[in-house]
Amino acid sequence: NAGVTQTPKFQVLKTGQSMTLQCAQDMNHEYMSWYRQDPGMGLRLIHYSVGAGITDQGEVPNGYNVSRSTTEDFPLRLLSAAPSQTSVYFCASSTTGTNQPQHFGDGTRLSIL
Amino acid sequence: AQSVTQLGSHVSVSEGALVLLRCNYSSSVPPYLFWYVQYPNQGLQLLLKYTSAATLVKGINGFEAEFKKSETSFHLTKPSAHMSDAAEYFCAVSDRASGSRLTFGEGTQLTVNP
Repeated sequence: NAGVTQTPKFQVLKTGQSMTLQCAQDMNHEYMSWYRQDPGMGLRLIHYSVGAGITDQGEVPNGYNVSRSTTEDFPLRLLSAAPSQTSVYFCASSTTGTNQPQHFGDGTRLSIL
Repeated sequence: AQSVTQLGSHVSVSEGALVLLRCNYSSSVPPYLFWYVQYPNQGLQLLLKYTSAATLVKGINGFEAEFKKSETSFHLTKPSAHMSDAAEYFCAVSDRASGSRLTFGEGTQLTVNP
């Protein structure tokens, strides 16, 4: 079982560059989300989606865009990278519901120079 | 608004000793609570979850947590630590208002000494 797959695993960008972090899941989950993890701050929600064609902002959405054209894929776009976006990014998915555990990918480690 | 506080960003125990990782939540409605574990260079894995069926919840790898409404706590325990338990642990909360969205605590790094 592939579960949640994130690509790339590592990326270095220069300030001002744009890029897309890919996330795909093969569990037919309706709910998908993106988090960033920074030391001492836990995981903070960037954007989330409750189904294809539906996205919404989380706690820290500025500088990021998302779209959900299929159930399987939920890419995260950095429009103009800034050093403050240096972080580890995690994608997660679950069935819809308040008590459903989320399944996480292995993360993308992003450095902005 | 809901929030989670994990007391102690670093906890160190000896192998075989009791593990106690603290989590306090704030929620205006009945919460759903989770503990996740993160091993180095990996994503998060679910240890256990509380969904109001029972106040004492047993999870994987010998961990358990007790929901105490009067103390707004959901502390994670394990009677005897193993070296393989060394990891970062996260407490998270959701509720009916937030749906599937989770709010995470800051995390606790557990070190197990031989």
